[in-house]
Amino acid sequence: DAGITQSPRHKVTETGTPVTLRCHQTENHRYMYWYRQDPGHGLRLIHYSYGVKDTDKGEVSDGYSVSRSKTEDFLLTLESATSSQTSVYFCAITSGVYNEQFFGPGTRLTVL
Amino acid sequence: KNEVEQSPQNLTAQEGEFITINCSYSVGISALHWLQQHPGGGIVSLFMLSSGKKKHGRLIATINIQEKHSSLHITASHPRDSAVYICAVPNTGNQFYFGTGTSLTVIP
Repeated sequence: DAGITQSPRHKVTETGTPVTLRCHQTENHRYMYWYRQDPGHGLRLIHYSYGVKDTDKGEVSDGYSVSRSKTEDFLLTLESATSSQTSVYFCAITSGVYNEQFFGPGTRLTVL
Repeated sequence: KNEVEQSPQNLTAQEGEFITINCSYSVGISALHWLQQHPGGGIVSLFMLSSGKKKHGRLIATINIQEKHSSLHITASHPRDSAVYICAVPNTGNQFYFGTGTSLTVIP
C-alpha cells in the first residue's frame, strides 16, 4: 500500500472555517498529489509536490493551499471552507520507472 | 476535450460472465494504469502496462500503443468484482489524465 496514511478520515465542518488535511508517507517518495473525487467528475488534481517546499497547482486549485516542509508530509488547507468543497479527498504518490500511482485511503469532508 | 475516454460508463453483468472495459486515450504515453475502487472504498492500483498484456488472477489487461487503446477483462466475474474501474495515463509533467470510470455491478 506504499505506506500512505491520511488524517482525518472523516470530517464535518461549517462554512467559513479553516480545515487542514494531512497526508503522510513512509517511503521517501518524491512526488505527492492531492485529488478530489466527486460524482460525475472523477479524480481531479488540486495540487501536487515534487519535493520539499516544491509545489504546483492542479486543475482545481482555487480555494486550496498546500505545504510540504518534510518529505513525508503533504498538507492540504482549505483557508475558508465552502459547501462546494464537500468531497472525498485522496492523497497519492508515484513510484517506479513508469510512475505508478498509489493512493491513500481518502478523507471524506463535509462542509455544512 | 477528454484525453482519456472509458466505455461503458455503467455495466451490469451476471455472475460468471466475461467482462470487458475499454479505455482510449489521445496522448502519447509511456504506460497506462488501471485502478479499482470499491463502493465507499479506497483506490487500488490493478495494473500498470506499457505494452502487450498482463494477468492477475481473473483480471487481464491489454494495451495497443499504436491504436491508443487498452482493455480490462474480467473472466468468471463475481459479485466482489463490483467496483468502479478507472483508467489513467501520465502526461509529461508527472501528472495524470483520468477517465471518469466504469461502474461495474455483478449480480449473483
